[in-house]
Amino acid sequence: GNSVTQMEGPVTLSEEAFLTINCTYTATGYPSLFWYVQYPGEGLQLLLKATKADDKGSNKGFEATYRKETTSFHLEKGSVQVSDSAVYFCALSDRNRGSTLGRLYFGRGTQLTVWP
Amino acid sequence: ETGVTQSPTHLIKTRGQQVTLRCSSQSGHNTVSWYQQALGQGPQFIFQYYREEENGRGNFPPRFSGLQFPNYSSELNVNALELDDSALYLCASSPPGAGANVLTFGAGSRLTVL
Repeated sequence: GNSVTQMEGPVTLSEEAFLTINCTYTATGYPSLFWYVQYPGEGLQLLLKATKADDKGSNKGFEATYRKETTSFHLEKGSVQVSDSAVYFCALSDRNRGSTLGRLYFGRGTQLTVWP
Repeated sequence: ETGVTQSPTHLIKTRGQQVTLRCSSQSGHNTVSWYQQALGQGPQFIFQYYREEENGRGNFPPRFSGLQFPNYSSELNVNALELDDSALYLCASSPPGAGANVLTFGAGSRLTVL
């Protein structure tokens, strides 16, 4: 089946520190991979995505590389800011089920708090 | 773009009651999905509607049902509420053919069942 496992939080960092949030997945077929971010009181926002092996998704200084050999999609940022404080979710979609199905499988989320 | 809007933002019900949650899709989006996010968990897929019909469902019982209207707005109905139904319910819409690759989420409706 399809599932996502991401590192448990909370993660607490000082401003300008390096961030890594680990994500591994299990999937049938060839999934697309995503990182979503959820700020307090808001809905999920797509942060970045990668649709095939070795693709790198990037946005707002965040990066993640689709690693098929290790079934991983770790999120990284070189220098975090206080405004990055949020919950981060790793997710996958199963393209074998048809491109029109809007089904994502999410990890449990990792709470990130950045202190000034 | 107006984004995805959901109502109500918060509501409280008691066990056994029924609830209806509403979602207005982003302009140009014809597919809507609903997710349940329990506290401290990731969202779980409930179902998806396309052309006013359910065309995909997660592991949720039949007391979770939905509707999609010609203007692509949607409702989620939950009958015989249980305590475990307490969660944030998220609606997401996507444009034609995009599927999960392009999902726009609303801010959610937080349901508390007492």
